[in-house]
Amino acid sequence: DGGITQSPKYLFRKEGQNVTLSCEQNLNHDAMYWYRQDPGQGLRLIYYSQIVNDFQKGDIAEGYSVSREKKESFPLTVTSAQKNPTAFYLCASRTGTGSNGYTFGSGTRLTVV
Amino acid sequence: QKEVEQDPGPLSVPEGAIVSLNCTYSNSAFQYFMWYRQYSRKGPELLMYTYSSGNKEDGRFTAQVDKSSKYISLFIRDSQPSDSATYLCAMSLTGTASKLTFGTGTRLQVTL
Repeated sequence: DGGITQSPKYLFRKEGQNVTLSCEQNLNHDAMYWYRQDPGQGLRLIYYSQIVNDFQKGDIAEGYSVSREKKESFPLTVTSAQKNPTAFYLCASRTGTGSNGYTFGSGTRLTVV
Repeated sequence: QKEVEQDPGPLSVPEGAIVSLNCTYSNSAFQYFMWYRQYSRKGPELLMYTYSSGNKEDGRFTAQVDKSSKYISLFIRDSQPSDSATYLCAMSLTGTASKLTFGTGTRLQVTL
């Protein structure tokens, strides 16, 4: 079945560490997105990529980095510069043609310990 | 002021009730409107997708868009306990490759 796989499901980070969240899709979608979800704030866009080797900052990119070396993969690194990284992170993808919504992964819960 | 406003709830209704969920928005350029359902600790799943103003029905779900009032609604008929989830509205400027702007979500609880 086609879909988006995020791993790990739960991740713990120590202060000062960088961690990388994985996002893989087999939907042949062109565009991929990273959102952060916090209680009471909805989904906020971190980074997005519409084609391989190209990506743009979203609304809250500070302290995060991404890469898009393959169409299927869009990993997100949460760096030590991100001061409040504890959140639920969601990866999504969307085809570049036609009108439709996003397909979301099941999310990664990141907690700073 | 947020671009998309959505009452966070929680909204509690008895089984079988008709549920009305709503969002208002400020950007008149939004053209595509979506409703997502999100169960606890899961990713959102697309429920309804509509373009411009009008109604769209899918089973027990009806989505309405009133662009003149900048107001969208999702109606759930014959609500079931399995409908208990958070419902997120989302909208975009264009249909392709345009980023989505989300509401904060309304938490719905359908009781037996």
